[in-house]
Amino acid sequence: NAGVTQTPKFRVLKTGQSMTLLCAQDMNHEYMYWYRQDPGMGLRLIHYSVGEGTTAKGEVPDGYNVSRLKKQNFLLGLESAAPSQTSVYFCASSHKWDGANVLTFGAGSRLTVL
Amino acid sequence: GQNIDQPTEMTATEGAIVQINCTYQTSGFNGLFWYQQHAGEAPTFLSYNVLDGLEEKGRFSSFLSRSKGYSYLLLKELQMKDSASYLCAVSDSNYQLIWGAGTKLIIKP
Repeated sequence: NAGVTQTPKFRVLKTGQSMTLLCAQDMNHEYMYWYRQDPGMGLRLIHYSVGEGTTAKGEVPDGYNVSRLKKQNFLLGLESAAPSQTSVYFCASSHKWDGANVLTFGAGSRLTVL
Repeated sequence: GQNIDQPTEMTATEGAIVQINCTYQTSGFNGLFWYQQHAGEAPTFLSYNVLDGLEEKGRFSSFLSRSKGYSYLLLKELQMKDSASYLCAVSDSNYQLIWGAGTKLIIKP
Protein backbone atom coordinates (compact mmCIF):
# COMPACT_ATOMS: atom_id res chain seq x y z
CA ASN A 1 0.00 0.00 0.00
CA ALA A 2 1.91 3.02 -1.28
CA GLY A 3 -0.45 5.74 0.06
CA VAL A 4 0.20 9.04 -1.76
CA THR A 5 2.97 9.17 -4.35
CA GLN A 6 4.31 12.38 -5.88
CA THR A 7 6.57 12.76 -8.88
CA PRO A 8 9.04 14.25 -9.43
CA LYS A 9 10.71 14.72 -6.05
CA PHE A 10 13.00 17.48 -7.26
CA ARG A 11 12.91 19.81 -10.24
CA VAL A 12 14.75 22.94 -11.33
CA LEU A 13 13.03 25.19 -13.85
CA LYS A 14 13.92 28.40 -15.60
CA THR A 15 11.50 31.33 -15.44
CA GLY A 16 8.78 30.90 -18.04
CA GLN A 17 9.08 27.11 -18.37
CA SER A 18 6.13 24.86 -17.73
CA MET A 19 5.84 21.61 -15.81
CA THR A 20 3.37 19.21 -14.25
CA LEU A 21 3.50 17.58 -10.83
CA LEU A 22 1.75 14.25 -10.59
CA CYS A 23 0.03 12.91 -7.50
CA ALA A 24 -1.37 9.39 -7.23
CA GLN A 25 -3.19 7.77 -4.30
CA ASP A 26 -4.23 4.17 -3.89
CA MET A 27 -6.55 4.55 -0.88
CA ASN A 28 -9.72 5.26 -2.88
CA HIS A 29 -9.97 8.71 -1.27
CA GLU A 30 -12.53 11.12 -2.69
CA TYR A 31 -10.72 14.31 -1.73
CA MET A 32 -7.34 15.46 -2.95
CA TYR A 33 -5.34 18.62 -2.29
CA TRP A 34 -2.26 20.48 -3.43
CA TYR A 35 -0.40 22.57 -0.83
CA ARG A 36 2.75 24.60 -0.92
CA GLN A 37 5.06 24.96 2.07
CA ASP A 38 7.36 27.95 2.42
CA PRO A 39 9.75 28.80 5.28
CA GLY A 40 8.06 30.58 8.17
CA MET A 41 4.58 30.02 6.79
CA GLY A 42 1.89 27.46 7.29
CA LEU A 43 0.84 25.09 4.55
CA ARG A 44 -1.20 26.99 1.98
CA LEU A 45 -3.87 25.33 -0.12
CA ILE A 46 -3.45 25.87 -3.86
CA HIS A 47 -6.30 23.81 -5.34
CA TYR A 48 -8.37 20.89 -4.22
CA SER A 49 -10.79 18.33 -5.62
CA VAL A 50 -13.87 16.77 -4.03
CA GLY A 51 -14.15 14.03 -6.62
CA GLU A 52 -13.23 12.82 -10.09
CA GLY A 53 -13.74 15.55 -12.67
CA THR A 54 -14.04 18.36 -10.14
CA THR A 55 -11.55 20.99 -8.99
CA ALA A 56 -11.76 24.13 -6.86
CA LYS A 57 -9.50 27.04 -5.95
CA GLY A 58 -7.81 27.23 -2.60
CA GLU A 59 -6.06 30.10 -0.88
CA VAL A 60 -3.27 30.69 -3.44
CA PRO A 61 -4.44 29.41 -6.87
CA ASP A 62 -2.89 32.03 -9.16
CA GLY A 63 -0.29 30.69 -11.57
CA TYR A 64 -1.40 27.07 -11.13
CA ASN A 65 -3.89 24.78 -12.85
CA VAL A 66 -5.08 21.34 -11.84
CA SER A 67 -6.93 18.39 -13.29
CA ARG A 68 -8.53 15.28 -11.83
CA LEU A 69 -9.43 13.08 -14.76
CA LYS A 70 -9.16 9.89 -12.70
CA LYS A 71 -10.11 9.46 -9.06
CA GLN A 72 -6.64 8.31 -8.07
CA ASN A 73 -4.69 11.09 -9.81
CA PHE A 74 -4.44 14.83 -9.20
CA LEU A 75 -2.14 16.87 -11.44
CA LEU A 76 -0.73 20.32 -10.67
CA GLY A 77 0.48 22.39 -13.59
CA LEU A 78 2.61 25.50 -13.80
CA GLU A 79 2.15 27.08 -17.22
CA SER A 80 4.84 29.77 -16.90
CA ALA A 81 6.98 29.29 -13.82
CA ALA A 82 8.08 32.29 -11.75
CA PRO A 83 10.73 32.50 -9.00
CA SER A 84 7.90 33.11 -6.48
CA GLN A 85 6.78 29.55 -7.15
CA THR A 86 9.98 28.14 -5.70
CA SER A 87 8.62 26.00 -2.88
CA VAL A 88 7.99 22.52 -1.59
CA TYR A 89 4.71 21.15 -2.91
CA PHE A 90 2.71 18.54 -1.06
CA CYS A 91 -0.17 16.54 -2.36
CA ALA A 92 -2.62 15.08 0.15
CA SER A 93 -5.79 13.05 0.13
CA SER A 94 -8.59 12.34 2.58
CA HIS A 95 -11.58 10.08 2.92
CA LYS A 96 -14.01 12.58 4.39
CA TRP A 97 -15.03 16.20 4.06
CA ASP A 98 -15.87 17.11 7.62
CA GLY A 99 -14.11 18.41 10.69
CA ALA A 100 -12.33 15.13 11.24
CA ASN A 101 -10.80 14.72 7.79
CA VAL A 102 -7.33 13.37 8.41
CA LEU A 103 -4.99 14.11 5.53
CA THR A 104 -2.46 11.64 4.16
CA PHE A 105 0.42 13.49 2.53
CA GLY A 106 2.84 12.58 -0.21
CA ALA A 107 6.59 12.94 0.36
CA GLY A 108 6.74 16.34 -1.33
CA SER A 109 8.18 17.82 -4.50
CA ARG A 110 10.89 20.45 -4.17
CA LEU A 111 10.70 22.96 -7.02
CA THR A 112 13.26 25.65 -7.71
CA VAL A 113 12.57 28.33 -10.32
CA LEU A 114 15.63 30.27 -11.47
CA GLY B 1 -8.72 37.23 9.43
CA GLN B 2 -7.87 33.70 10.38
CA ASN B 3 -4.73 33.10 12.36
CA ILE B 4 -2.86 30.26 14.02
CA ASP B 5 0.04 31.08 16.35
CA GLN B 6 2.65 28.69 17.67
CA PRO B 7 6.26 29.19 18.80
CA THR B 8 8.83 29.02 16.04
CA GLU B 9 11.34 26.84 17.87
CA MET B 10 11.70 25.00 21.17
CA THR B 11 14.54 23.03 22.74
CA ALA B 12 14.17 20.20 25.23
CA THR B 13 16.27 17.45 26.76
CA GLU B 14 15.99 13.75 26.02
CA GLY B 15 13.76 12.07 28.60
CA ALA B 16 12.04 15.31 29.61
CA ILE B 17 8.55 16.67 28.93
CA VAL B 18 7.73 19.51 26.53
CA GLN B 19 4.52 21.41 25.87
CA ILE B 20 3.94 23.07 22.49
CA ASN B 21 1.20 25.69 22.51
CA CYS B 22 -1.12 26.75 19.73
CA THR B 23 -3.59 29.62 19.79
CA TYR B 24 -6.09 30.24 17.04
CA GLN B 25 -8.61 32.73 15.71
CA THR B 26 -10.74 31.27 12.93
CA SER B 27 -14.15 31.75 11.37
CA GLY B 28 -15.84 28.76 12.89
CA PHE B 29 -14.33 25.68 14.45
CA ASN B 30 -14.71 22.06 13.46
CA GLY B 31 -11.70 20.56 15.14
CA LEU B 32 -7.99 21.00 15.75
CA PHE B 33 -5.22 18.78 14.43
CA TRP B 34 -1.59 18.19 15.31
CA TYR B 35 0.78 16.82 12.69
CA GLN B 36 4.44 15.85 13.00
CA GLN B 37 6.86 16.64 10.19
CA HIS B 38 10.44 15.42 10.18
CA ALA B 39 12.86 17.49 8.12
CA GLY B 40 12.47 16.79 4.42
CA GLU B 41 9.48 14.53 4.94
CA ALA B 42 5.70 14.67 4.75
CA PRO B 43 3.51 15.76 7.67
CA THR B 44 1.92 12.81 9.48
CA PHE B 45 -1.20 12.91 11.64
CA LEU B 46 -0.76 12.87 15.42
CA SER B 47 -4.04 13.92 17.03
CA TYR B 48 -7.48 15.47 16.60
CA ASN B 49 -9.49 17.38 19.20
CA VAL B 50 -13.00 18.69 18.73
CA LEU B 51 -14.24 18.75 22.34
CA ASP B 52 -12.61 20.46 25.30
CA GLY B 53 -10.22 18.39 27.31
CA LEU B 54 -7.23 16.13 27.07
CA GLU B 55 -6.74 13.32 24.55
CA GLU B 56 -3.95 10.91 25.44
CA LYS B 57 -2.20 8.66 22.96
CA GLY B 58 0.86 6.97 24.37
CA ARG B 59 3.65 9.49 25.03
CA PHE B 60 1.70 12.22 23.25
CA SER B 61 -1.32 14.11 24.60
CA SER B 62 -3.28 16.99 23.11
CA PHE B 63 -5.45 19.47 24.99
CA LEU B 64 -8.15 21.81 23.71
CA SER B 65 -9.98 24.79 25.18
CA ARG B 66 -12.45 26.14 22.63
CA SER B 67 -13.46 29.12 24.79
CA LYS B 68 -9.83 30.26 24.94
CA GLY B 69 -8.94 29.36 21.36
CA TYR B 70 -6.05 27.34 22.73
CA SER B 71 -4.49 23.93 22.37
CA TYR B 72 -1.28 22.29 23.43
CA LEU B 73 0.62 19.16 22.47
CA LEU B 74 2.39 17.46 25.36
CA LEU B 75 5.26 15.11 24.61
CA LYS B 76 6.55 12.94 27.47
CA GLU B 77 9.74 10.89 27.83
CA LEU B 78 11.29 12.69 24.90
CA GLN B 79 13.36 10.67 22.47
CA MET B 80 15.83 11.90 19.87
CA LYS B 81 13.45 10.76 17.14
CA ASP B 82 10.92 13.34 18.40
CA SER B 83 13.10 16.06 16.87
CA ALA B 84 10.74 17.41 14.22
CA SER B 85 8.37 20.25 13.42
CA TYR B 86 4.91 20.09 14.95
CA LEU B 87 2.11 21.66 12.94
CA CYS B 88 -1.15 22.90 14.43
CA ALA B 89 -4.14 23.15 12.09
CA VAL B 90 -7.77 24.17 12.63
CA SER B 91 -10.75 23.10 10.56
CA ASP B 92 -12.88 26.21 9.98
CA SER B 93 -16.60 26.62 9.30
CA ASN B 94 -16.15 25.33 5.72
CA TYR B 95 -13.99 22.39 6.86
CA GLN B 96 -10.97 24.07 5.31
CA LEU B 97 -7.76 23.56 7.25
CA ILE B 98 -5.92 26.66 8.48
CA TRP B 99 -2.29 25.83 9.30
CA GLY B 100 0.16 27.30 11.72
CA ALA B 101 3.77 27.81 10.60
CA GLY B 102 4.94 24.96 12.81
CA THR B 103 7.14 24.61 15.88
CA LYS B 104 10.60 23.15 15.35
CA LEU B 105 11.44 20.98 18.34
CA ILE B 106 15.12 20.30 18.99
CA ILE B 107 15.96 17.47 21.38
CA LYS B 108 19.36 17.54 23.07
CA PRO B 109 20.99 14.50 24.69
